Amino acid sequence: DTGVSQDPRHKITKRGQNVTFRCDPISEHNRLYWYRQTLGQGPEFLTYFQNEAQLEKSRLLSDRFSAERPKGSFSTLEIQRTEQGDSAMYLCASSPRDSSTDTQYFGPGTRLTVL
Amino acid sequence: DQQVKQNSPSLSVQEGRISILNCDYTNSMFDYFLWYKKYPAEGPTFLISISSIKDKNEDGRFTVFLNKSAKHLSLHIVPSQPGDSAVYFCAASANDYKLSFGAGTTVTVRA
Repeated sequence: DTGVSQDPRHKITKRGQNVTFRCDPISEHNRLYWYRQTLGQGPEFLTYFQNEAQLEKSRLLSDRFSAERPKGSFSTLEIQRTEQGDSAMYLCASSPRDSSTDTQYFGPGTRLTVL
Repeated sequence: DQQVKQNSPSLSVQEGRISILNCDYTNSMFDYFLWYKKYPAEGPTFLISISSIKDKNEDGRFTVFLNKSAKHLSLHIVPSQPGDSAVYFCAASANDYKLSFGAGTTVTVRA
């Protein structure tokens, strides 16, 4: 299967701990996106990368959040000092080209629960 | 600010009949629209898209209609099948790559 993969699928942590999620996009997709989805809502944009460059960050992404894509392939999203409000599904997506009409393909998500 | 709205949180339809899902948007800069389907514990799966230069796009049982003047799009599923039971999200982008999503409509197809 060559779809978008995310690891872990589920993460339970205690408030104040740091967590890191990984996303592997579809091979040769040069755009990678992170979204967050809470219960009863649609996904909300967090940030995206063109190759290794992080081009935009949402105001939803507080200073406790950092994302990287060091070699333009996989990406990591780290949340420091987690809070209960960070509990959500974190979705990664990728798209093939530098076009605004490219379809974004999503991974299965990482479900974060902060106790 | 919710720029994409799906005002019907749920829809129940009998197998074999048509499902019609609606979506309204407020940002006139949106130029690309997509529908995604989501099963529990999975990520959204792309269904069909339409660019603002068209008013209709068809793919098998799925047809998307776009009315730019009304800032409205709809997804028609004909005929509806039990496997279509899922949450459907409308999404839009404004040439800036990030997608704005509606809150979703849960479709239940009754046998």
